[in-house]
Amino acid sequence: EDQVTQSPEALRLQEGESSSLNCSYTVSGLRGLFWYRQDPGKGPEFLFTLYSAGEEKEKERLKATLTKKESFLHITAPKPEDSATYLCAVQEGAQKLVFGQGTRLTINP
Amino acid sequence: ETGVTQTPRHLVMGMTNKKSLKCEQHLGHNAMYWYKQSAKKPLELMFVYSLEERVENNSVPSRFSPECPNSSHLFLHLHTLQPEDSALYLCASSQTRNYEQYFGPGTRLTVT
Repeated sequence: EDQVTQSPEALRLQEGESSSLNCSYTVSGLRGLFWYRQDPGKGPEFLFTLYSAGEEKEKERLKATLTKKESFLHITAPKPEDSATYLCAVQEGAQKLVFGQGTRLTINP
Repeated sequence: ETGVTQTPRHLVMGMTNKKSLKCEQHLGHNAMYWYKQSAKKPLELMFVYSLEERVENNSVPSRFSPECPNSSHLFLHLHTLQPEDSALYLCASSQTRNYEQYFGPGTRLTVT
């Protein structure tokens, strides 16, 4: 069975302090790796899909990268509004996503 | 209404009650999903409907009963739930050939 592990479980940064979140996965034949952002009490919000090693995608202060065994979500010069839980998921089978437990990110002003 | 909507947003029910959760998607998608999100645990897939047919049932207890009358609507019927069923229940939708799933805001369920 596919597995997804995210680290760290929680991360606290100062505003402007760049860092990276990690998502490591074991899957037989990656069909897609997905990043979501979830604010408290809300549903996950889609951010990126990555399909092959070496692929990168960017959106504002976020950049997602993919290798054969892990993905990183880099956050550059974060702002307090970037505080959220970031979820990683891999596609298993035709329409099933397997999610990691998430990284809770807090950006202090 | 845009995106994926869910009603009610909050629900408190006793163990002997029967209630239903509703999800509606306005994105023109043809696959819909129910997830359970409990504290400190990853999102758990419960059911998948593709083109209105159930294609995945992730060993969910029979006290949860899904219904998908058309590609825009999804229900989760609840009966004789247990306190451990208290969680955030999320609905999502996608195109069958595009696996990006879009989530609703969720229903916070408390079983007393």
